[in-house]
Amino acid sequence: AQSVTQLDSQVPVFEEAPVELRCNYSSSVSVYLFWYVQYPNQGLQLLLKYLSGSTLVESINGFEAEFNKSQTSFHLRKPSVHISDTAEYFCAVTRGAGGFKTIFGAGTRLFVKA
Amino acid sequence: NAGVTQTPKFQVLKTGQSMTLQCAQDMNHNSMYWYRQDPGMGLRLIYYSASEGTTDKGEVPNGYNVSRLNKREFSLRLESAAPSQTSVYFCASSEGGGGRELFFGSGTQLSVL
Repeated sequence: AQSVTQLDSQVPVFEEAPVELRCNYSSSVSVYLFWYVQYPNQGLQLLLKYLSGSTLVESINGFEAEFNKSQTSFHLRKPSVHISDTAEYFCAVTRGAGGFKTIFGAGTRLFVKA
Repeated sequence: NAGVTQTPKFQVLKTGQSMTLQCAQDMNHNSMYWYRQDPGMGLRLIYYSASEGTTDKGEVPNGYNVSRLNKREFSLRLESAAPSQTSVYFCASSEGGGGRELFFGSGTQLSVL
């Protein structure tokens, strides 16, 4: 079975500062990794995903995440955050090769202050 | 361009009452899912349907039943609601399993008194 640990429940940061949201996973088989974002009173939206290939993946709005197999981590980073990035971020994992159960972490609430 | 539509958006039940949450998707996706979201616990999978005609248990299936009515619709039923089922429920769909993106509805906020 897979599991996901998000190490910070809340991360306050000032606008234009860098941020890192940490995610570690556990699995005995190969997995696919995801970051989803949830804005207030909305459902989740995919931010980025790692399936295979380059271990560094990027989103269209400046976030990036790096898959580190040896440390079983998939941390999310952004070099300069905006007020509009305030949201809850979820790391998730799915067993590779046809798995249907996507397991989510507990979430990290990012709060960007002016 | 509705995506995933859930009804109702809000519901209050008394303990022991039953209800059905409805979900429909218009993206011709094969797979559909029901999750519940609780503070500090993230999303937990209740049931999923990999394809039309199949359903399987997720992490927290007890107290729930599901029906994949057709390719578009996937309903979640609470036969005898309990306060522990107070939560926000999300329906999602995807083209299939593995690395496919999940598309979420806007959620149903359910309170059981």
